[in-house]
Amino acid sequence: GAGVSQSPSNKVTEKGKDVELRCDPISGHTALYWYRQSLGQGLEFLIYFQGNSAPDKSGLPSDRFSAERTGGSVSTLTIQRTQQEDSAVYLCASKSGQASETQYFGPGTRLLVL
Amino acid sequence: AQRVTQPEKLLSVFKGAPVELKCNYSYSGSPELFWYVQYSRQRLQLLLRHISRESIKGFTADLNKGETSFHLKKPFAQEEDSAMYYCALSNQAGTALIFGKGTTLSVSS
Repeated sequence: GAGVSQSPSNKVTEKGKDVELRCDPISGHTALYWYRQSLGQGLEFLIYFQGNSAPDKSGLPSDRFSAERTGGSVSTLTIQRTQQEDSAVYLCASKSGQASETQYFGPGTRLLVL
Repeated sequence: AQRVTQPEKLLSVFKGAPVELKCNYSYSGSPELFWYVQYSRQRLQLLLRHISRESIKGFTADLNKGETSFHLKKPFAQEEDSAMYYCALSNQAGTALIFGKGTTLSVSS
């Protein structure tokens, strides 16, 4: 079946602009995660959605970052007033609702802020 | 605090040599640990998890609670093992993975 998909695959923007990154999870997966992969920093957790519960936003680095998940499926990560330090690969992952299940990752969106 | 440490950024070995990628963790309680791998131009994927106690692609990892370690080992490295390897810990709420900074494994002939 289809895996997690993300769009765009690459995004170049100017400092100060807003960007939206999209994630389509695996059909039927109730849990969705966003991570950021930066050079030298590894992967950092950003936000977690589980069904209709309030999201866990504890990993968002600043209030310029927000995410929503509409209809329990597609998710959008928005970064407002982008800064050069936001340049990274943004990864989305999903898994079924079972706690012991594996997270499946998308290919990522590579964001470059000039 | 929950933390995963991978002390080596890069590990270079020759084909056929043993490999050990180090991972140490900080966690209160019973940890759930994973190794993820990212091959060139591919997405991040699960390699193995400690609760499965399995061997995948010849790799094994044993949880050592005394040393708070979960090192990844393979007795004979292959060139196709060259990739970025991440050790990860499930947070206490079970809502996210805490990743180490990763180790690049380079296997040359």
